[in-house]
Amino acid sequence: DTAVSQTPKYLVTQMGNDKSIKCEQNLGHDTMYWYKQDSKKFLKIMFSYNNKELIINETVPNRFSPKSPDKAHLNLHINSLELGDSAVYFCASKSTDTQYFGPGTRLTVL
Amino acid sequence: QKEVEQNSGPLSVPEGAIASLNCTYSDRGSQSFFWYRQYSGKSPELIMSIYSNGDKEDGRFTAQLNKASQYVSLLIRDSQPSDSATYLCAAPRGGYQKVTFGIGTKLQVIP
Repeated sequence: DTAVSQTPKYLVTQMGNDKSIKCEQNLGHDTMYWYKQDSKKFLKIMFSYNNKELIINETVPNRFSPKSPDKAHLNLHINSLELGDSAVYFCASKSTDTQYFGPGTRLTVL
Repeated sequence: QKEVEQNSGPLSVPEGAIASLNCTYSDRGSQSFFWYRQYSGKSPELIMSIYSNGDKEDGRFTAQLNKASQYVSLLIRDSQPSDSATYLCAAPRGGYQKVTFGIGTKLQVIP
């Protein structure tokens, strides 16, 4: 069974569109994250939720909106996509001190 | 100054040699440190964590922490081509909720 899953794996879309990425974890963890890894491979935290509550909101454009319907799911919705949003987005969940990453979603904005 | 700094590499070592990966951090309050490995096109996975000054060994991997110098390192003994990956140093802040990653060092083990 996949511990942290993301859909879709690849997402190609036009500038200005709105898209969503879904994440689910079956590890029973309370804390989940969204990270962005850009072309230079730098992994930057975007958001963190603990038991459906937003606890970390880094300096991210408000076009990005996370939603956590329950503690096993953390989705990311992106409005008005821009070229600079092209990156790999990783979802992760956390036990005491270990983060478990999903397989990533490669977003390409044309 | 970046919170967690690493040389992006690539670091090339011959098969069987010791690979030494280094990381410095700026927050003296950081209490724990992690090394993640990321293969190309894959997601990061935790390989080592260290909380106390000194060395921690796990198989071919040894993590070293020097809090006075704000320095963390990862040694990989008997390097194998399968160790070729990017190694990310990470330090949590804010009660472990936020983890800051370094840019990662790309390691190439040459057969």
